Amino acid sequence: QKEVEQNSGPLSVPEGAIASLNCTYSDRGSQSFFWYRQYSGKSPELIMFIYSNGDKEDGRFTAQLNKASQYVSLLIRDSQPSDSATYLCAVNKLGSSASKIIFGSGTRLSIRP
Amino acid sequence: IAGITQAPTSQILAAGRRMTLRCTQDMRHNAMYWYRQDLGLGLRLIHYSNTAGTTGKGEVPDGYSVSRANTDDFPLTLASAVPSQTSVYFCASSVGANTEAFFGQGTRLTVV
Repeated sequence: QKEVEQNSGPLSVPEGAIASLNCTYSDRGSQSFFWYRQYSGKSPELIMFIYSNGDKEDGRFTAQLNKASQYVSLLIRDSQPSDSATYLCAVNKLGSSASKIIFGSGTRLSIRP
Repeated sequence: IAGITQAPTSQILAAGRRMTLRCTQDMRHNAMYWYRQDLGLGLRLIHYSNTAGTTGKGEVPDGYSVSRANTDDFPLTLASAVPSQTSVYFCASSVGANTEAFFGQGTRLTVV
């Protein structure tokens, strides 16, 4: 079992609709959760982070965290063609003496006009 | 320098050669990371450092080594490159191990 799992997609959503991206993680002790967007040939860029159970909204983006079920999701409202990218879920994994950030394999999102 | 700088941007390397990828940040971040990205596999952690003077192994550490002599620099060394190390390598840093990471522009390495 991978530590952070995402559906690889591609996920195709019509312009103006809501895109829903999901991620599950295995380490119950994880405290920090991140969503990154990566355009082809570019570096990942942070779009959302969430630390507490519930929803966190930032513009058209909403991150949702459920620690009991060990999943985190990202909703993109009013999807635009510029949202077409790969979305990476990341989780911090605690060790006995250190902490590190582990990524899922990413979900490719395509917004069709 | 602003943010995280990686060098070189791209490199073609003969198998068996030694190579060091450089990473420098000027944000005084405590934690630094090296990832490799291969098609369909997302970002896989190679090595990390939570603070200067300490390092740890990630998901795919074999064939790679790192050092963290100071806060700003986190070089990644391939002692004897093999073709399976062909990949895009990203360096990242964060204020602390629990906070978001910021990425360099990447190094595209081809081992032939």
